[in-house]
Amino acid sequence: KAGVTQTPRYLIKTRGQQVTLSCSPISGHRSVSWYQQTPGQGLQFLFEYFSETQRNKGNFPGRFSGRQFSNSRSEMNVSTLELGDSALYLCASSYRGANTGELFFGEGSRLTVL
Amino acid sequence: EDKVVQSPLSLVVHEGDTVTLNCSYEVTNFRSLLWYKQEKKAPTFLFMLTSSGIEKKSGRLSSILDKKELFSILNITATQTGDSAVYLCAVYSSNTGKLIFGQGTTLQVKP
Repeated sequence: KAGVTQTPRYLIKTRGQQVTLSCSPISGHRSVSWYQQTPGQGLQFLFEYFSETQRNKGNFPGRFSGRQFSNSRSEMNVSTLELGDSALYLCASSYRGANTGELFFGEGSRLTVL
Repeated sequence: EDKVVQSPLSLVVHEGDTVTLNCSYEVTNFRSLLWYKQEKKAPTFLFMLTSSGIEKKSGRLSSILDKKELFSILNITATQTGDSAVYLCAVYSSNTGKLIFGQGTTLQVKP
């Protein structure tokens, strides 16, 4: 059974650009949640999608957005990139939702903003 | 504001030692507490705790939750170098629907 796949694994952007990250959950999982991990702030919740609907959103500016497709694959987009957006972006999938406990994480997308 | 605090932030032990990692929380409408191990990139699930006083155990790892005192501990006995990792504690609030992570404890096990 394939795990959670995130692409791209590494990317470098400059300030002001935008970026789109992709997450393919484990087959059959309907929930995808996104997290930002930085050395200073640790892991912070961005948002969760369940069956194509945003179920919850963290305390991030509107530059951070996401969506989920009918096949449960999810994308997150960050517009007008800032230096502080440099981070590891992790997505996690679960069958019934993040609130049920076990999340399966992908290996992340490492974003560097110059 | 909901928060999860882990201690210590880092520790170094030798193989065979026993370690205890701490996680305290202040979260409205607590639903569950989870422990993850992050070795390189992807955190991997260890335990989910919802009830006080019931120990969860998996091999050399065990964890227990105290809902009255709002904390959990993760014990690792007979540590091995493969236990070196960042251990993350997270609490789910049914009020906000968010999973809140602590800063993590970096454990280094020396041969």
